[in-house]
Amino acid sequence: AQSVAQPEDQVNVAEGNPLTVKCTYSVSGNPYLFWYVQYPNRGLQFLLKYITGDNLVKGSYGFEAEFNKSQTSFHLKKPSALVSDSALYFCAVRDHSSGTYKYIFGTGTRLKVLA
Amino acid sequence: DAGVTQSPTHLIKTRGQQVTLRCSPKSGHDTVSWYQQALGQGPQFIFQYYEEEERQRGNFPDRFSGHQFPNYSSELNVNALLLGDSALYLCASRKGGSPYEQYFGPGTRLTVT
Repeated sequence: AQSVAQPEDQVNVAEGNPLTVKCTYSVSGNPYLFWYVQYPNRGLQFLLKYITGDNLVKGSYGFEAEFNKSQTSFHLKKPSALVSDSALYFCAVRDHSSGTYKYIFGTGTRLKVLA
Repeated sequence: DAGVTQSPTHLIKTRGQQVTLRCSPKSGHDTVSWYQQALGQGPQFIFQYYEEEERQRGNFPDRFSGHQFPNYSSELNVNALLLGDSALYLCASRKGGSPYEQYFGPGTRLTVT
């Protein structure tokens, strides 16, 4: 079965410091991986995706993610955190087995950037 | 270019009642999926519609049903509401055949009392 795990419920980081939000996955076949961000009382906003190609993926708002096949990880990173980055972050994988593009989401990681 | 829109924004219902939520996909998109996001949880897949048919269903009871219209908009219906149905309901759309990202609407917050 396809799954993703976000091992940290919350990550705290000081403004200006680099941030990392962790995600590991379990899929059969090649993974399609995504990161979304959710602000309070809002839907999910797409940040970036990995389908194939370079292991370092660049996305919106200065975020990037590193795909590591050997460690089955897809960690979200940003070189310099902003207070406005504080939000709930979700990692997701496309379920290949279904053939209908169902997303499986992690439980989310709350990022707090401290001024 | 309007993104995915959902209505209503908020809804309060009583146990046992029925509710209908609506979704209009992003322009050019023809596939709509519905997700339930309980408080403090990640979204859970309910079902997906393409060409006005339900293509796949998640682990949700038959009380959850849907429909897709010729203009690709969609409805989610929930019958015999339970307290546990209280959640944020998210609609997502994509262009059929595209392997890439889905675009999500802002959601409908359903509270069952």
